[in-house]
Amino acid sequence: EAGVTQFPSHSVIEKGQTVTLRCDPISGHDNLYWYRRVMGKEIKFLLHFVKESKQDESGMPNNRFLAERTGGTYSTLKVQPAELEDSGVYFCASSLWGYNEQFFGPGTRLTVL
Amino acid sequence: EDQVTQSPEALRLQEGESSSLNCSYTVSGLRGLFWYRQDPGKGPEFLFTLYSAGEEKEKERLKATLTKKESFLHITAPKPEDSATYLCAVSGGYQKVTFGTGTKLQVIP
Repeated sequence: EAGVTQFPSHSVIEKGQTVTLRCDPISGHDNLYWYRRVMGKEIKFLLHFVKESKQDESGMPNNRFLAERTGGTYSTLKVQPAELEDSGVYFCASSLWGYNEQFFGPGTRLTVL
Repeated sequence: EDQVTQSPEALRLQEGESSSLNCSYTVSGLRGLFWYRQDPGKGPEFLFTLYSAGEEKEKERLKATLTKKESFLHITAPKPEDSATYLCAVSGGYQKVTFGTGTKLQVIP
């Protein structure tokens, strides 16, 4: 069974540019989550989808971040325009039931110059 | 606001030297406490979920325990392949997951 996949693995962009991260969850997992780890800090929750609906987006830092989940399958996280403080590793996770036993992808390392 | 504090930040053990990692937490209505293992360049890998004080779970050389204020991850006779960062996280009344900063474990042959 394929795990959670994320694309790209690395992205280097300049301040002010736009970047879109993609996450493909495990097939059949209705719950999809986005997290971010800024260097030296803990992994922080961004938002939670149940199927195509946003269940909780309280962790989204500001309106430069837009997450979508098309048809309850893959999800995208767009940052527009990117700022220096957006640099970090963005993780996606999926689960069958609520917040239990989340399966994480390998992450996308975003560097904003 | 939910909080998770892990200690120590780093731990170096000789192969076979048992030890414990600590996770102290404050949460509004615990729904679950999670332990993950993370290897460099990879995403966290799920290990355990604990739901209530007194609960214990085991997997190979790892055993997780839970009290009302903290959780321990006991590592018995560790091997070099147990080297990784171990993350603790909680899900509380607002359901979203709060992570600690992790304990980086190095097991020396």
